Amino acid sequence: DTEVTQTPKHLVMGMTNKKSLKCEQHMGHRAMYWYKQKAKKPPELMFVYSYEKLSINESVPSRFSPECPNSSLLNLHLHALQPEDSALYLCASSLGTLRVGELFFGEGSRLTVL
Amino acid sequence: QKEVEQDPGPLSVPEGAIVSLNCTYSNSAFQYFMWYRQYSRKGPELLMYTYSSGNKEDGRFTAQVDKSSKYISLFIRDSQPSDSATYLCAKYPMKTSYDKVIFGPGTSLSVIP
Repeated sequence: DTEVTQTPKHLVMGMTNKKSLKCEQHMGHRAMYWYKQKAKKPPELMFVYSYEKLSINESVPSRFSPECPNSSLLNLHLHALQPEDSALYLCASSLGTLRVGELFFGEGSRLTVL
Repeated sequence: QKEVEQDPGPLSVPEGAIVSLNCTYSNSAFQYFMWYRQYSRKGPELLMYTYSSGNKEDGRFTAQVDKSSKYISLFIRDSQPSDSATYLCAKYPMKTSYDKVIFGPGTSLSVIP
């Protein structure tokens, strides 16, 4: 079982809804990530928190809003999404300054926007 | 040119076969290389992590890096139906750079019993 826990596993929402995806890790990792993955495509980086400091992928629309309450928790707030935002949203963590490419992924939250 | 390219497949092999999965990459400055396995509707999991040219072995899996040719390979010996998944190669620069893990498009593998 993965050590990165994501909730909910499935989410269906309308375009006017506000919802949140949650992620938690207890490996002591200091970097956490949100990735978006469409069917038959590789994961695309959305946001990175390293030592609780945010880095943003400039192409991510503002209807996605990340939050890092502490080094173990990562949220993704969703508002006014579009049907094309339907995808698998993956949370990942890494140790920090060492082995950055060693990402530990959660099982993902499958989002459907109606 | 994409930074990491791989044949999307699908690749179908009989159980017990040796599987060869390949990636090519561009921009060769100080790279680390990874192979991830992703089962359907699950998150990717790290299989292999390497920097140097040459081979790295872990059980039935061998990762091979040829920096002169900018070629990365993953070999699976004695393939099992449980190996059926999508395999993603990835790379990132040696320096700390959290946003620089670059994934290939993935190769879909089916191992037929």
